[in-house]
Amino acid sequence: QKEVEQNSGPLSVPEGAIASLNCTYSDRGSQSFFWYRQYSGKSPELIMFIYSNGDKEDGRFTAQLNKASQYVSLLIRDSQPSDSATYLCAVTGGATNKLIFGTGTLLAVQP
Amino acid sequence: DADVTQTPRNRITKTGKRIMLECSQTKGHDRMYWYRQDPGLGLRLIYYSFDVKDINKGEISDGYSVSRQAQAKFSLSLESAIPNQTALYFCATSDGTRGYFGPGTRLTVT
Repeated sequence: QKEVEQNSGPLSVPEGAIASLNCTYSDRGSQSFFWYRQYSGKSPELIMFIYSNGDKEDGRFTAQLNKASQYVSLLIRDSQPSDSATYLCAVTGGATNKLIFGTGTLLAVQP
Repeated sequence: DADVTQTPRNRITKTGKRIMLECSQTKGHDRMYWYRQDPGLGLRLIYYSFDVKDINKGEISDGYSVSRQAQAKFSLSLESAIPNQTALYFCATSDGTRGYFGPGTRLTVT
């Protein structure tokens, strides 16, 4: 079992819709959870982080964390074509405190 | 100036050669990481360091070594490069709450 799992996609949504990206993790000791966006050929950039159960909103982005289910998600409201990218879920904490990434979900927003 | 820099940005080398990838950061972070990225496999952790005297293996450390010369510098070496080490390599730093990535080094081993 991979430590951090994501559906590779592609996830295709129409412009203006809500995109929902999901991630599960295996280490119950994980403490910090991150969403990165990566455009093709570029380096990942951090867009959201969350530590506590519940929702955290930042503009059009909402991160949701459920530690009991070991599940973290990212919602993107009013999706724009410029949101088309690969979204990487990352987790840190636990026994070693290393920063581990999922394989990423490719999001395509159709104009 | 960029917070995290990597040199070289692109490199083509031959099988069996030794190569070093360098990373420098101006964030003042203690935590530094080396990842490789391959299509469909995401970012895989090679080595990580939480301070100058702390070096740890990641998921795929075989064939690689690292050196943390200072808080700001973390180098990755391939002692004898092989073709399946062809990939995009990223260095990252973190203060424990958020991570910052360098621009990446595209390495091709022929």
